Amino acid sequence: EAQVTQNPRYLITVTGKKLTVTCSQNMNHEYMSWYRQDPGLGLRQIYYSMNVEVTDKGDVPEGYKVSRKEKRNFPLILESPSPNQTSLYFCASSSATGGVAEAFFGQGTRLTVV
Amino acid sequence: DAKTTQPTSMDCAEGRAANLPCNHSTISGNEYVYWYRQIHSQGPQYIIHGLKNNETNEMASLIITEDRKSSTLILPHATLRDTAVYYCIPRSTGGFKTIFGAGTRLFVKA
Repeated sequence: EAQVTQNPRYLITVTGKKLTVTCSQNMNHEYMSWYRQDPGLGLRQIYYSMNVEVTDKGDVPEGYKVSRKEKRNFPLILESPSPNQTSLYFCASSSATGGVAEAFFGQGTRLTVV
Repeated sequence: DAKTTQPTSMDCAEGRAANLPCNHSTISGNEYVYWYRQIHSQGPQYIIHGLKNNETNEMASLIITEDRKSSTLILPHATLRDTAVYYCIPRSTGGFKTIFGAGTRLFVKA
């Protein structure tokens, strides 16, 4: 089954404790991206990757890092989480780099930073 | 990227057609119109996309006006499970971003 898998689904952590949210897709997609969703602000793009070793900033990249060492994985790293990063996070992938292709989304990671 | 205008919310009776409009008057020639939906807090789900011709798949139909300044997503027989936020998103073939607006919250009522 084609899918995008995020882990963990739920995470509560403390300010300043580094964490990684993993994202993996099994569709051999070139393009992957991360979004955060906050009430009243909708879905905003954090980072995206056009292919292995190629990443770029989205609209709200501050406080986040990403890496793309393998095609299937695109982890989101919070080096020093702060309470304003409490949010619902989604990973997405698609087959064409900016081309006409539907995006597949993971089920989300709800992060709470206290 | 083109800006979109969608109704904040809409109601639809179960079994009836749900028609969700979207205005994208600044859409450029190479931008497709995509529709996604998000049920509660799940990941967004792709529904359909089109450039200038009307499109239909197993989930919905997409009607795009001839001038491409607006479109309508049609769910032919809405069910309670179609209650969700529906996003209309213009996206170019050369763009890397999918920009989500506020969308339309559709309530399907029994």
